[in-house]
Amino acid sequence: AQSVAQPEDQVNVAEGNPLTVKCTYSVSGNPYLFWYVQYPNRGLQFLLKYITGDNLVKGSYGFEAEFNKSQTSFHLKKPSALVSDSALYFCAVRASGNTPLVFGKGTRLSVIA
Amino acid sequence: EPEVTQTPSHQVTQMGQEVILRCVPISNHLYFYWYRQILGQKVEFLVSFYNNEISEKSEIFDDQFSVERPDGSNFTLKIRSTKLEDSAMYFCASRPSGGPTGELFFGEGSRLTVL
Repeated sequence: AQSVAQPEDQVNVAEGNPLTVKCTYSVSGNPYLFWYVQYPNRGLQFLLKYITGDNLVKGSYGFEAEFNKSQTSFHLKKPSALVSDSALYFCAVRASGNTPLVFGKGTRLSVIA
Repeated sequence: EPEVTQTPSHQVTQMGQEVILRCVPISNHLYFYWYRQILGQKVEFLVSFYNNEISEKSEIFDDQFSVERPDGSNFTLKIRSTKLEDSAMYFCASRPSGGPTGELFFGEGSRLTVL
């Protein structure tokens, strides 16, 4: 069965600094990896996904993520954080076919002005 | 931009009562899902639905839960006899096609409070 680990409950970063939100995965076969963001009292919004090809994936709002097969990681990054990036971030993985998307427990990002 | 809509946004009910949560997925989507999130924590899969039948369900989705798509647009989640631990945010999601690569599109959620 597939699973995702987000080792940090909370990440704090100063505005303008680079940010990283960590994610590692476990799946049989090829992983299909996703990042979602949740603002307070809102649904989950899709940010980006890795399917195949280039290990660096670019997504919405200036976010990008790096797929590392040897480390089974898919860390979310942004070169310069904004206060408006403060939210809950979820990593998710799907194995092959139509298996459900499995989410990590989430990481709360706080960007301080 | 098309979106998934959910009603009600918040429902308060007494333990043991039946609850129906409604969702209107994006119109050309074929795969439908319910997830739940307790207190802003982990997002947990409940059930997936395709071609008018359940394709997969989790351990959480026991006999108290049911889903249906009664009229080709609405997708409902019914909890027959609510328990305190059913209090959560319930998210509906959809996607246009199958296979492993497509992302889910989520609604804004229905907050269920069981007293």
